[in-house]
Amino acid sequence: DQQVKQNSPSLSVQEGRISILNCDYTNSMFDYFLWYKKYPAEGPTFLISISSIKDKNEDGRFTVFLNKSAKHLSLHIVPSQPGDSAVYFCAASILGNQFYFGTGTSLTVIP
Amino acid sequence: KAGVTQTPRYLIKTRGQQVTLSCSPISGHRSVSWYQQTPGQGLQFLFEYFSETQRNKGNFPGRFSGRQFSNSRSEMNVSTLELGDSALYLCASSSGTPSYEQYFGPGTRLTVT
Repeated sequence: DQQVKQNSPSLSVQEGRISILNCDYTNSMFDYFLWYKKYPAEGPTFLISISSIKDKNEDGRFTVFLNKSAKHLSLHIVPSQPGDSAVYFCAASILGNQFYFGTGTSLTVIP
Repeated sequence: KAGVTQTPRYLIKTRGQQVTLSCSPISGHRSVSWYQQTPGQGLQFLFEYFSETQRNKGNFPGRFSGRQFSNSRSEMNVSTLELGDSALYLCASSSGTPSYEQYFGPGTRLTVT
């Protein structure tokens, strides 16, 4: 049972434009959400997170939005750069215990 | 600070064999989690160890087991390997207090033939 879902396996965006990656979850008990970026042959690296008490968190070019009523979060990257090309995973947790990951979205930023 | 290391990086085994993977967390981190990554399934949580005790467990059969040593290093064992066990196995460490930020190693690519 996939509690965290990323329904778009891939996304292509022109350099300089906005990338929007989406994630849906089913468990309303999740209280913390994270985004990870993964390059080939490397482990995922932490990108940005958001607590369930917030609806937006920003870090430079990266912004995560949380819509609890829709059980939906999204990652915005503005402006997108070729170096952002990677697989992005969203993850959710309850009280920092077991983390549930989505299946990932492969982002390609076209120069 | 040195990152999370995993050994070996690549492994080829035959069905029915067993395998042991190793993970050394970041110095000072007491929590180690293990994940299986397969195409289309994302990262599936296997288990988490904290201070030598299994604290959380995912939905995997008993063929998958683990342990953690007093220096926080962790090993994962898979017995009676099946073709479907072919995957990238990732470990992640955190301070575990709990900590929401996990730091991942590069993974061990296991191929079962």
